[in-house]
Amino acid sequence: DTEVTQTPKHLVMGMTNKKSLKCEQHMGHRAMYWYKQKAKKPPELMFVYSYEKLSINESVPSRFSPECPNSSLLNLHLHALQPEDSALYLCASSHGTGEPQHFGDGTRLSIL
Amino acid sequence: AQSVAQPEDQVNVAEGNPLTVKCTYSVSGNPYLFWYVQYPNRGLQFLLKYITGDNLVKGSYGFEAEFNKSQTSFHLKKPSALVSDSALYFCAVRDGSGGYQKVTFGTGTKLQVIP
Repeated sequence: DTEVTQTPKHLVMGMTNKKSLKCEQHMGHRAMYWYKQKAKKPPELMFVYSYEKLSINESVPSRFSPECPNSSLLNLHLHALQPEDSALYLCASSHGTGEPQHFGDGTRLSIL
Repeated sequence: AQSVAQPEDQVNVAEGNPLTVKCTYSVSGNPYLFWYVQYPNRGLQFLLKYITGDNLVKGSYGFEAEFNKSQTSFHLKKPSALVSDSALYFCAVRDGSGGYQKVTFGTGTKLQVIP
């Protein structure tokens, strides 16, 4: 069982929809991450939150909007996505930004 | 700048034989090195890390890795492969000097253990 919980597991949305991905951890980790992963490729870092503040934005398009409401939760708000945004979106957390990351099982997103 | 290379897209090994998955890295400062495994439709699972200390690191599920500074390598090993070890393996590196730096993942190696 993973200690990082992501919902939903699957999401299909049209290009005009607005949806949100959710991530939760209760390990007391203070760093949380969003990654995008295409099939058989390594994860690509999107955002890093450290102590609930956005510390890294890897030049991600504004149609992706992260939010960290508290130390246990991380959201990714989606709006006007493109077909090329279809991917597995992974959330991870760690004690510090140099420590091993614990990953959730991801949300598989399909854009119609 | 930091980088990591996994030269083999796929490694095939017979069940019961030893396995090695190769990784080389490049960092400016001291390397923090990690191995992760990913099963189909799952997230990445942490296997082991090297920060400092003993060059032979032992991790989960019987895996170990050897840090070799002169060859800038961190190969993943297991004495006896199981069919259940078949998965995608990622090596990752972070420069341990200075402030926050992101982790860089290798391109991944698919391990196929043949019964």
